[in-house]
Amino acid sequence: AQTVTQSQPEMSVQEAETVTLSCTYDTSESDYYLFWYKQPPSRQMILVIRQEAYKQQNATENRFSVNFQKAAKSFSLKISDSQLGDAAMYFCAYRRHMNYGGSQGNLIFGKGTKLSVKP
Amino acid sequence: NAGVTQTPKFRILKIGQSMTLQCTQDMNHNYMYWYRQDPGMGLKLIYYSVGAGITDKGEVPNGYNVSRSTTEDFPLRLELAAPSQTSVYFCASSPPGHYEQYFGPGTRLTVT
Repeated sequence: AQTVTQSQPEMSVQEAETVTLSCTYDTSESDYYLFWYKQPPSRQMILVIRQEAYKQQNATENRFSVNFQKAAKSFSLKISDSQLGDAAMYFCAYRRHMNYGGSQGNLIFGKGTKLSVKP
Repeated sequence: NAGVTQTPKFRILKIGQSMTLQCTQDMNHNYMYWYRQDPGMGLKLIYYSVGAGITDKGEVPNGYNVSRSTTEDFPLRLELAAPSQTSVYFCASSPPGHYEQYFGPGTRLTVT
């Protein structure tokens, strides 16, 4: 079974600085998807960024980028120019590729990292 | 489009009571999911459905039931509520072959 580990329960960053959140995962499959979700106090789950395992190029979405190391099974999130609105819980998630038998596309989540942004 | 909607937003149940959490999506997605989020934890899959009339268990199905009579609706039924079911419940949907899931706003349930 696949597992996702986030080893940093809490992180703090100064406004306008850069912070990196760590995520490792365990799988025997070669094709899959990885995601970072943001959960602000409102509880809404917001997709921040996604990465397809077959793509070597790291995904980027404005101030958010990932460092995807497939061999190391590592998927870290870098937030540049941190803003007060970035304060939230961040979850790393894994999704099996739909081609695998028995895969119905559900997400497997880590426990999350709580990010605080200091003004 | 309203996306994925859930009702109620909050609910307090007494031990042994039953209730249904409602989930509706207006995006014509085949795949729908129910997750629960316990304090300090990520989301865990309770049940999922790949289309009307087809449902299956996820990682933590005990104490819950689901049905899927239409593409739009995927209600989650709690029978004989227990304190261990105190959690935040999320419904999500996804089109087939697509990697992104769309989440509802969640229902905070307390069982006392």
